[in-house]
Amino acid sequence: DQQVKQNSPSLSVQEGRISILNCDYTNSMFDYFLWYKKYPAEGPTFLISISSIKDKNEDGRFTVFLNKSAKHLSLHIVPSQPGDSAVYFCAASAMYSGGGADGLTFGKGTHLIIQP
Amino acid sequence: DTAVSQTPKYLVTQMGNDKSIKCEQNLGHDTMYWYKQDSKKFLKIMFSYNNKELIINETVPNRFSPKSPDKAHLNLHINSLELGDSAVYFCASSQVGTGAPQYFGPGTRLLVL
Repeated sequence: DQQVKQNSPSLSVQEGRISILNCDYTNSMFDYFLWYKKYPAEGPTFLISISSIKDKNEDGRFTVFLNKSAKHLSLHIVPSQPGDSAVYFCAASAMYSGGGADGLTFGKGTHLIIQP
Repeated sequence: DTAVSQTPKYLVTQMGNDKSIKCEQNLGHDTMYWYKQDSKKFLKIMFSYNNKELIINETVPNRFSPKSPDKAHLNLHINSLELGDSAVYFCASSQVGTGAPQYFGPGTRLLVL
């Protein structure tokens, strides 16, 4: 039962254009959403996050949009650069009843390829 | 200066053996985690731990046990290794509180023969 879904296994974008990565979720208890970037043979690297009470968060070239009613979020990267080629994971977090953080629930990832 | 480190990076062992993977973080975080990335590339939480409590994913076999000698370390012990345990194991850490970003180590690639 996948609670976080990334339906595009891969995405190819030309350098300089916008990359849009999508993510859907099913659990309405999620209250934070995060995006991670992963290179081969390395651990995931945190990129950007958004609280469920917001609909947009921006950090440099990266913007995350959240549509809570549709249970959908997206990561926009503009302009796309060759170094952005990596696997991008969407992840979600829910407040643990004890007040601490539970683990993240990850999507399966989207492999972004930036074409020169 | 590595924030979250894991040793070893690669681990090849025979079925039935017991092995440990070490994790250390120098970020001063309160909470540490272990994740497993299986052959289908899904990253799944195994444990989260702070100095107050251990939260165990109910699907994790009890052959897996986390041990924390102090706040900066969370080691993973695996008893009676099975072929299906072959995977990449990632350690992570964060400040306490939902929404706090988790910072991951480079992963340990475990192969059980």
